[in-house]
Amino acid sequence: GAGVSQSPRYKVAKRGQDVALRCDPISGHVSLFWYQQALGQGPEFLTYFQNEAQLDKSGLPSDRFFAERPEGSVSTLKIQRTQQEDSAVYLCASSMKVPGNTIYFGEGSWLTVV
Amino acid sequence: AQRVTQPEKLLSVFKGAPVELKCNYSYSGSPELFWYVQYSRQRLQLLLRHISRESIKGFTADLNKGETSFHLKKPFAQEEDSAMYYCALPFSGGYNKLIFGAGTRLAVHP
Repeated sequence: GAGVSQSPRYKVAKRGQDVALRCDPISGHVSLFWYQQALGQGPEFLTYFQNEAQLDKSGLPSDRFFAERPEGSVSTLKIQRTQQEDSAVYLCASSMKVPGNTIYFGEGSWLTVV
Repeated sequence: AQRVTQPEKLLSVFKGAPVELKCNYSYSGSPELFWYVQYSRQRLQLLLRHISRESIKGFTADLNKGETSFHLKKPFAQEEDSAMYYCALPFSGGYNKLIFGAGTRLAVHP
């Protein structure tokens, strides 16, 4: 495809609602990352997949955050019982496996919790 | 702990002026450092990486291990350089997990 694709681009959720954010990585990219970017801050790492295996979830802020990539391609980030502090841009990125390869970012999903 | 610091939130210059966006890091070992750029309404994209020693769009960055810095420089700023710039380095661990600085907004005025 043309690049990393994310949907929805914009989501407004009521506090307590569950949300699901989708990421379509570049075809053939083994590595997939989710980042959270709060207003005025740089992206912060959430989790990393190599194919379908979630190898690092150290950045997930709470057990309300869950990510999956069941077939090693599309990934979904789910946030349960959203809180106002979850409002941020959620960025997905993908790369080839080898360290040092360029990471390509999606345009992000803007989540606002009201 | 690994950390990236960009001390300036905003850097405002006039077209044709030199630009230096500061980045300091803390890292044990030999880091590979990156500059990412985000133009208005566009996605975050790699601008340059120190290991390639390239000049991209007139920008260069030199790794100074003594000062633990990786400042981004351009001798003559252009209006199209206006964007958010993020410095980043990888966590150790064998894959491309990045730590980003908070970013500096560069505004180039005509």
